[in-house]
Amino acid sequence: DAGVIQSPRHEVTEMGQEVTLRCKPISGHDYLFWYRQTMMRGLELLIYFNNNVPIDDSGMPEDRFSAKMPNASFSTLKIQPSEPRDSAVYFCASSIDRGGGYTFGSGTRLTVV
Amino acid sequence: QKEVEQDPGPLSVPEGAIVSLNCTYSNSAFQYFMWYRQYSRKGPELLMYTYSSGNKEDGRFTAQVDKSSKYISLFIRDSQPSDSATYLCAMSTTSGGSYIPTFGRGTSLIVHP
Repeated sequence: DAGVIQSPRHEVTEMGQEVTLRCKPISGHDYLFWYRQTMMRGLELLIYFNNNVPIDDSGMPEDRFSAKMPNASFSTLKIQPSEPRDSAVYFCASSIDRGGGYTFGSGTRLTVV
Repeated sequence: QKEVEQDPGPLSVPEGAIVSLNCTYSNSAFQYFMWYRQYSRKGPELLMYTYSSGNKEDGRFTAQVDKSSKYISLFIRDSQPSDSATYLCAMSTTSGGSYIPTFGRGTSLIVHP
């Protein structure tokens, strides 16, 4: 298996622009998680899905953030409009269960200027 | 007080040294304890997964949990330069039905030849 695949690896965008991050989880993993990592706050859970259904989005910072999982093999995290404080590394992870043995992707490094 | 505390380091040791990485936590309901290793510009990867108290060994790595002290450790024997990475602890509980792990902010480890 190729693991969890995220794209793009790097994204530089101007403030106010829409940003879409993509994730392909490992086949057979029923759970998908979106995390954000910064030096100041560490790894923060934004939202997670079970069988394509959003279960907990309490970590999504604002209405500017939205996530979808239209099928078992694809998820997107969208930021619209983007702001400089959204600059971070965004990770997608998938798992057979929600208990913690997650497989992470390599992340998308987002810079909003 | 954060739920999971971890010294960010960096911890710098010579090759061959025994490394001790630690986390403290405040939630006595935590039952599952994990250590993730994160190389620079990569996603975290699961290193060790333990349940409740006690020790677990895997090659050069030993995870130790002391629930009475709310303290977990990861020991690395015969440390190698390839062990240089950030190590994140994580812990979760089935209490309240959450299961989602809480991550520490990570300790940066540098093993120099």
